[in-house]
Amino acid sequence: QVQLVESGGGVVQPGRSLRLSCSASEFTFSAYGMHWVRQAPGKRLEWVAVMSHDGSNKYYADSVKGRFTISRDNSKNTVYLQMNSLRTEDTAVYYCVLGHLYYYYGMDVWGQGTTVTVSS
Amino acid sequence: QTVVTQEPSFSVSPGGTVTLTCGLSSDSVSTSYYPSWYQQTPGQPPRTLIYSTNTRSSGVPDRFSGSILGNKAALTITGAQADDESDYYCVLYVGSGKWMFGGGTKLTVL
Repeated sequence: QVQLVESGGGVVQPGRSLRLSCSASEFTFSAYGMHWVRQAPGKRLEWVAVMSHDGSNKYYADSVKGRFTISRDNSKNTVYLQMNSLRTEDTAVYYCVLGHLYYYYGMDVWGQGTTVTVSS
Repeated sequence: QTVVTQEPSFSVSPGGTVTLTCGLSSDSVSTSYYPSWYQQTPGQPPRTLIYSTNTRSSGVPDRFSGSILGNKAALTITGAQADDESDYYCVLYVGSGKWMFGGGTKLTVL
């Protein structure tokens, strides 16, 4: 059974940085694209970023482009989200999500999420 | 600014059928937008129900079905059960590698 475990969330001041990690197991990690999706308290889901299986392609939501960087280490079965210049509006639960083999099928299996709070 | 639209709320009687929709402010939704549907209960991560318009994810009962109805994507739940009471989100592929979620529909079963 696919397992995705996020970590790295916490409380951080505006303007600071945080790196989230997502450790994957029970599937061939290097074959799949990986997404990050977030959900602010009481709000809708918001797609944040995606990286292709080999890291050759990555895409970002306009709201985070230039501030967030997605990366992966296939030798460690881990995907990361480096978040810089954090804003209060980045406060959310961040989910790591396994993509389908075919990119356009979107998001498949979801992790439990890690909470990021940006506050002074 | 593209917006993905969903009904904010809907109610259905136990055993009844309900259809939730997912629209686009700037275009008609077609299979080219690869609509997916997710179910979320409070405090839990979403669960994938449908992808690529009408393909059920593994383990999803056939009470849940996806389609295109008119100019929108649709999620139909037949034989609604109490534990179907959840938030339902759609997501569309909007091009350039990007995805966009709708605002979600809060479904009440009563």
